[in-house]
Amino acid sequence: NAGVTQTPKFQVLKTGQSMTLQCAQDMNHEYMSWYRQDPGMGLRLIHYSVGAGITDQGEVPNGYNVSRSTTEDFPLRLLSAAPSQTSVYFCASSYSGTPSNTGELFFGEGSRLTVL
Amino acid sequence: KQEVTQIPAALSVPEGENLVLNCSFTDSAIYNLQWFRQDPGKGLTSLLLIQSSQREQTSGRLNASLDKSSGRSTLYIAASQPGDSATYLCAVKGDYKLSFGAGTTVTVRA
Repeated sequence: NAGVTQTPKFQVLKTGQSMTLQCAQDMNHEYMSWYRQDPGMGLRLIHYSVGAGITDQGEVPNGYNVSRSTTEDFPLRLLSAAPSQTSVYFCASSYSGTPSNTGELFFGEGSRLTVL
Repeated sequence: KQEVTQIPAALSVPEGENLVLNCSFTDSAIYNLQWFRQDPGKGLTSLLLIQSSQREQTSGRLNASLDKSSGRSTLYIAASQPGDSATYLCAVKGDYKLSFGAGTTVTVRA
């Protein structure tokens, strides 16, 4: 049981390049989400999904796209990378997709992105 | 908008001392509160989950309390060890998302 798996762990991009951060979970969780973590700012929600085919924006969605074609996978796409997107990105999942989901949130190990 | 605050930002204690970490939040309409541990360069590991209807939750040397009406939670770690050195984050659950504090970085000196 691998839990939440993120790839790549490290990536360096040039301004304007695009890339996709991959996230997969093997726990049959309905809810999946992407956070970014910046020094002194805590974790902020980028996008989330409550099931296959359903996605919505979080606090800081600009510059990012997501899709959820399967229950297991939730990739995050950077459309045109900017230095402000230098951050550590975390994917997290939870059992239920309902608003009042009171289940535990499980995190991946993170993807460290630098945009030059 | 939910604001979550953790004070102090950093804490250094000698081994064996009990740790008390504080978390406060502005909106009491939460479903649950979760405490996490984060080691440098690593992801978040869930420590304790307290449902909004609960007052406390315990796991081994860890005990977390929740006072929803006053917007406070406290994480107690008994008899601290050097291996407890990490950043501890609290997060409160609203509709669809968790709101995180910036964390308290704990150093336990041997």
